[in-house]
Amino acid sequence: EVQLLGSGGGLVQPGGSLRLSCAASGFTFINYAMSWARQAPGKGLEWVSTLSGGGETTYYADSVKGRFTISRDNSKNILYLQMNSLRAEDTAVYYCARTASTLFSSFDYWGQGTLVTVSS
Amino acid sequence: QSVLTQPPSVSGAPGQRVTISCTGSSSNIGATYDVHWYQQLPGAAPKLLIYDNSNRPSGVPDRFSGSKSGTSASLAITGLQSEDEADYYCQSYDSSLSARVFGGGTKLTVL
Repeated sequence: EVQLLGSGGGLVQPGGSLRLSCAASGFTFINYAMSWARQAPGKGLEWVSTLSGGGETTYYADSVKGRFTISRDNSKNILYLQMNSLRAEDTAVYYCARTASTLFSSFDYWGQGTLVTVSS
Repeated sequence: QSVLTQPPSVSGAPGQRVTISCTGSSSNIGATYDVHWYQQLPGAAPKLLIYDNSNRPSGVPDRFSGSKSGTSASLAITGLQSEDEADYYCQSYDSSLSARVFGGGTKLTVL
C-alpha cells in the first residue's frame, strides 16, 4: 500500500525558514517523480515543485522560485522541501504527492498534509 | 484567478447526473496536455479521480467519467450519492507558465 507521511509544519515568523519532510513507503521510491502542492486556508490547490526520481531535475512554481528547494534521499525514501524567506502568503497546508513522470502525469497518491503558518 | 476555470459550485439531487466543466486555453488543455481530476472530501487530502482525461484509477466507481474536447474538459457524475459531496479540481500542464496548473475548484452539493 502506497503511503506518504508528511511532517515538519508549524508556526514560523515572516522571513524565517522551515523544512518539510515526506516519508514514502509501499512503492519503489526512485522510480517516481515527487511533488509538493499547497492549499491556503479556504482556497484551492496550487502546485509548488516537482523533482525527478533520480533527483537530477527540479521544477518550481514562480511564486516560490529562489526561496524553496526540493530534494530527496532515495536511500531513506524521503522527500524534502526547504522553505526560506517565508511570507504570509506561504501559509497553507502542504501536501506531498507522487507522480509517474515529471511534467504531465497526474498526482496519483497524496500525503495527509502538514500545516505551515507564517505569522508574527 | 486560476488558469483553468471551473464553476464555483454545482448541485444535484441523489440519483441525478451532474457535470463540472474545466475551461482552459491553447497553452494548456488546447495544447493536448492531459487533464486530471481530483476529489477532496471535507478535511481530507485530495484523491485522484480521473487521469489522462478519461481514465479511472482502480477503485473509483464508474459513476465518475471524464472527457476532453478542444480547450475544455468535463467531469460527469451519475447516480449522485451523498458521499460525493466534496470539492473537485481539474489539473493540467501549461506551456506558457511551464507549470502544472489547477482549476479553482468546484464545490458539489448533494441536495
